[in-house]
Amino acid sequence: AQSVTQLGSHVSVSEGALVLLRCNYSSSVPPYLFWYVQYPNQGLQLLLKYTSAATLVKGINGFEAEFKKSETSFHLTKPSAHMSDAAEYFCAVNFGNEKLTFGTGTRLTIIP
Amino acid sequence: EAGVAQSPRYKIIEKRQSVAFWCNPISGHATLYWYQQILGQGPKLLIQFQNNGVVDDSQLPKDRFSAERLKGVDSTLKIQPAKLEDSAVYLCASSFVRQGGYEQYFGPGTRLTVT
Repeated sequence: AQSVTQLGSHVSVSEGALVLLRCNYSSSVPPYLFWYVQYPNQGLQLLLKYTSAATLVKGINGFEAEFKKSETSFHLTKPSAHMSDAAEYFCAVNFGNEKLTFGTGTRLTIIP
Repeated sequence: EAGVAQSPRYKIIEKRQSVAFWCNPISGHATLYWYQQILGQGPKLLIQFQNNGVVDDSQLPKDRFSAERLKGVDSTLKIQPAKLEDSAVYLCASSFVRQGGYEQYFGPGTRLTVT
């Protein structure tokens, strides 16, 4: 079955520290992969997407993600966390049919 | 360009009442989606439209939920009668296909509380 898993429902990092949010997928075909961010009481905003071009994808707000086929992973990173990064982050997968399957989300807390 | 618009932003109703949500997608986006996001979970697709036709409504509880997109532009999602477990944020999204894939753009959502 095709699915997406986010490890860690809550992640806390200190301001200025590395942010690493994990996403793994299960698929028999190469998927399209997305990371969305959701701030309180707002909709989802696209951070970045992988569509089979470069495996290292750069997004908005200094975030990037690397597609690793051998590990079936698409982890989201940011070298230095900022207070404004506090939000809920969702990994999503599309298996070629315009439908998105979302992970359960990771709430990122930034410690001053 | 204007984003996806949704109204109302918040709604509180009692169980067994009915409620309707409205969505206006980004101009030119042929595909429109309604998602249900329960607290602590990722969004779950309820229904997908392509222009004014339904592409997928397999996850829509059809005994109480209905949706329409009559002119292929804006859309309405209705719940009648509401249950306590319908308390959630209802997100509308629209998309278009471009070279290299597609992107879904989300509205701010409607937060429904059923008491």
